[in-house]
Amino acid sequence: QSVLTQPPSASGTPGQRVTISCSGSSSNIGSNTVNWYQQLPGTAPKLLIYVNNQRPSGVPDRFSGSKSGTSASLAISGLQSEDEADYYCAAWDDSLNGWVFGGGTKMTVL
Amino acid sequence: EVQVVESGGGLVKPGGSLRLSCAASGFTFSSYSMDWVRQAPGKGLEWVSSISSGSRYMYYADSVKGRFTISRDNAKNSLYLQMNSLRAEDTAVYYCAREVRVKGTRSDAFDIWGQGTMVTVSS
Repeated sequence: QSVLTQPPSASGTPGQRVTISCSGSSSNIGSNTVNWYQQLPGTAPKLLIYVNNQRPSGVPDRFSGSKSGTSASLAISGLQSEDEADYYCAAWDDSLNGWVFGGGTKMTVL
Repeated sequence: EVQVVESGGGLVKPGGSLRLSCAASGFTFSSYSMDWVRQAPGKGLEWVSSISSGSRYMYYADSVKGRFTISRDNAKNSLYLQMNSLRAEDTAVYYCAREVRVKGTRSDAFDIWGQGTMVTVSS
């Protein structure tokens, strides 16, 4: 059971806008920023969004993040086949004194 | 090129020990906190441990506390994870990750990841 809660799966058709939710608590998302990681099949995770809504250089602006209270969301607009991957949210937890991850969401492009 | 490369994984019996290494290159290793994150087969990511740039602070997940020890050698640009009393549930790919402090904030993120090293605990 992960500390952060994500839906196990999400899907959309090419060009569609899809969102993935990440729910936490006051000790993690409620008091710290959220990062999102993308893991393509068979590869290492890659930083996708940091500090709630910032994109590293090279990440398309189709990806966006937001945070409100103890929840965060990742949105992918103009969904593409290469976006098929697992997506993980993460935040520092002040009570656990460590990083916590969501269980991951498998994105399928129909 | 900025990169980290893990090594030291393998097959070990329950109760055994293993030491993982992570070699960093292309950046000033001594300026960054470093972490280990693992992923059991077919499962999600689980943070394992973190060490500050000068080794002053070390943090562990409850699942490994008392069994795993993180350390680093800044002169050798290397990160380590000593794993003792290994259990079947420790079977996973272990990733080394650079933890970067975002400028102007108190926030961090894992911006560089290695390809991982597989640890299998089985009799």
